[in-house]
Amino acid sequence: AQSVTQLDSQVPVFEEAPVELRCNYSSSVSVYLFWYVQYPNQGLQLLLKYLSGSTLVKGINGFEAEFNKSQTSFHLRKPSVHISDTAEYFCAVRALGNTPLVFGKGTRLSVIA
Amino acid sequence: DTAVSQTPKYLVTQMGNDKSIKCEQNLGHDTMYWYKQDSKKFLKIMFSYNNKELIINETVPNRFSPKSPDKAHLNLHINSLELGDSAVYFCASSFLAARADEQFFGPGTRLTVL
Repeated sequence: AQSVTQLDSQVPVFEEAPVELRCNYSSSVSVYLFWYVQYPNQGLQLLLKYLSGSTLVKGINGFEAEFNKSQTSFHLRKPSVHISDTAEYFCAVRALGNTPLVFGKGTRLSVIA
Repeated sequence: DTAVSQTPKYLVTQMGNDKSIKCEQNLGHDTMYWYKQDSKKFLKIMFSYNNKELIINETVPNRFSPKSPDKAHLNLHINSLELGDSAVYFCASSFLAARADEQFFGPGTRLTVL
């Protein structure tokens, strides 16, 4: 079975500052890794995903994430945040094959003007 | 055009009632899912259907019964609603066999049981 730990439940950050949202996972098999964003009162939207290959993955809205196999981490970063980035961010994993997405508990990013 | 749509968006009902939530996707995907998001924002898979067949069934009370009339629709029927069923329910879809397997989510249905 897989599990995901998002180490911070809330992250406040000033506008134009950099941000890192942390995600660690646990799995005995190879996994795909995802970051989803949920804006207030909306569904989830995929930010980026890691399947294989280059460990640095670039996504939409200027976000990127780095897969670190030895540390079983997939931290999300953005060099300069905007007010519009205020949202809930979910890290998720899925094992290969016919298995469900397993989500972390989410990190609430609040960007302060 | 909405890729994954759900109706209704809000549902307020009394304990003990039976209710349904509908989901439709126009992406041509062969797999659909139901997730429950609780008051602490925790998201958990409930069911998954591939080509109208149940492939994932997590530990969910049998008061919840998914129905897939065709691969573009996956409806969720809930019998004898309880207070603890209050949550936001998300439908999603994807290609099961595709390597990327990105899941596209609907806007959610906020269920409130009084």
